[in-house]
Amino acid sequence: QVQLQESGPGLVKPSETLSLTCTVSGASIHSYYWSWIRQPPGKRLEWIGYIYYGGNTNYNPSLKSRVTMSIGTSNNQFSLNLRSVTAADTAVYFCATGPGYSSGHDSWGRGTLVTVSS
Amino acid sequence: SYVLTQPPSVSVAPGKTARITCGGNDIGRKSVHWYQQKPGQAPVLVINYDTDRPSGIPERFSGSNSGNTATLTISRVEAGDEADYYCQVWDSSGDRSGDHYVFGTGTKVTVL
Repeated sequence: QVQLQESGPGLVKPSETLSLTCTVSGASIHSYYWSWIRQPPGKRLEWIGYIYYGGNTNYNPSLKSRVTMSIGTSNNQFSLNLRSVTAADTAVYFCATGPGYSSGHDSWGRGTLVTVSS
Repeated sequence: SYVLTQPPSVSVAPGKTARITCGGNDIGRKSVHWYQQKPGQAPVLVINYDTDRPSGIPERFSGSNSGNTATLTISRVEAGDEADYYCQVWDSSGDRSGDHYVFGTGTKVTVL
């Protein structure tokens, strides 16, 4: 069974970069598709993007200009960088995975709240 | 960008059937995934690719998709089914680099 755990700062200042890491166990990071998904308080889920074998990525067009995802060189991890954050980026950030290019996400981390505030 | 519309809320009595719709332009041509999310928890995939139930999901959950509407049906509703439900599709525009997931607006299911 795949398990995921998000980690990173819970508070980021406006205009700075939000950086999160997801640690994966129970599967190789070189298999499957690894997503970041966020949910502002009281709002719907929003897919940020995913990374898959070879470091290929797909990003949500609405966030593409500010997002970079990468696979860690060790410890079965992948990461998210979101640049130039504003209060609108305050959300619970989840990492999740699915087996296929367009499949549902069948494993999720618990999520981590990131607040953008000075 | 592709838009998915769900009713904000659905109320159902225990033992009855709840139907949650997800509307989108020609959604029947896309594959729809459904998630259940309880307060403070991560979403759980309950229906994959329109009709497939992942392991561990009760048979009471079923899905259908045709035309402009996909539907999640919960039969013999239980108190534990009270949650928010989201539909999701993969929006493929032909340019693979622009392909992305879209989530619906979400539906709160209340068990009376």
